[in-house]
Amino acid sequence: SAVISQKPSRDICQRGTSLTIQCQVDSQVTMMFWYRQQPGQSLTLIATANQGSEATYESGFVIDKFPISRPNLTFSTLTVSNMSPEDSSIYLCAGCRGVYENTEAFFGQGTRLTVV
Amino acid sequence: AQTVTQSQPEMSVQEAETVTLSCTYDTSENNYYLFWYKQPPSRQMILVIRQEAYKQQNATENRFSVNFQKAAKSFSLKISDSQLGDTAMYFCAFMKAGGTSYGKLTFGQGTILTVHP
Repeated sequence: SAVISQKPSRDICQRGTSLTIQCQVDSQVTMMFWYRQQPGQSLTLIATANQGSEATYESGFVIDKFPISRPNLTFSTLTVSNMSPEDSSIYLCAGCRGVYENTEAFFGQGTRLTVV
Repeated sequence: AQTVTQSQPEMSVQEAETVTLSCTYDTSENNYYLFWYKQPPSRQMILVIRQEAYKQQNATENRFSVNFQKAAKSFSLKISDSQLGDTAMYFCAFMKAGGTSYGKLTFGQGTILTVHP
């Protein structure tokens, strides 16, 4: 399957600052997504990163807090803005492509964010 | 909306033995995919196995196999000949096939599996 390189792998940030996470896929993918995984919990979808247009956010997530870009079919960024300790989580990007038995859903390595 | 339930927060097994992780889901969709992912402490989400809902045959990948019961909406994972490297969090996940939700994964709560030597 495709490989997603995600960076940074971890960061410790001061409250009130912003962090931008980048994901680069080694080949074109149809869809890209951003998930959040709070400590000890499951993954929750933040948004769908749409190529060349505004991202589509899930309930409970807003663009001002989590601006997302996807300028082409292989790259996306997620910014966590005006951070607070509650934003401390693992953030993962994911890609999806193919249909039927060729459907692939794969992930970047994750970014462990700690806000102090 | 779809829901995925993993009722076993933690499981343990002895090395070389077999363990089964449970997953149930709820959906009104007829066409979908089901996945098991493994997440070791490194945080990387690793695809273990995938099942297409339109296929009656259960998927297998080496030591990993599933028991897919579409009518019961059940999708359990069997790990045979467990190895120490299988120690990880395991997530069951659901994806609609096509439409505006294509690619979106709904995850269960996860099961922590520990393999003991």
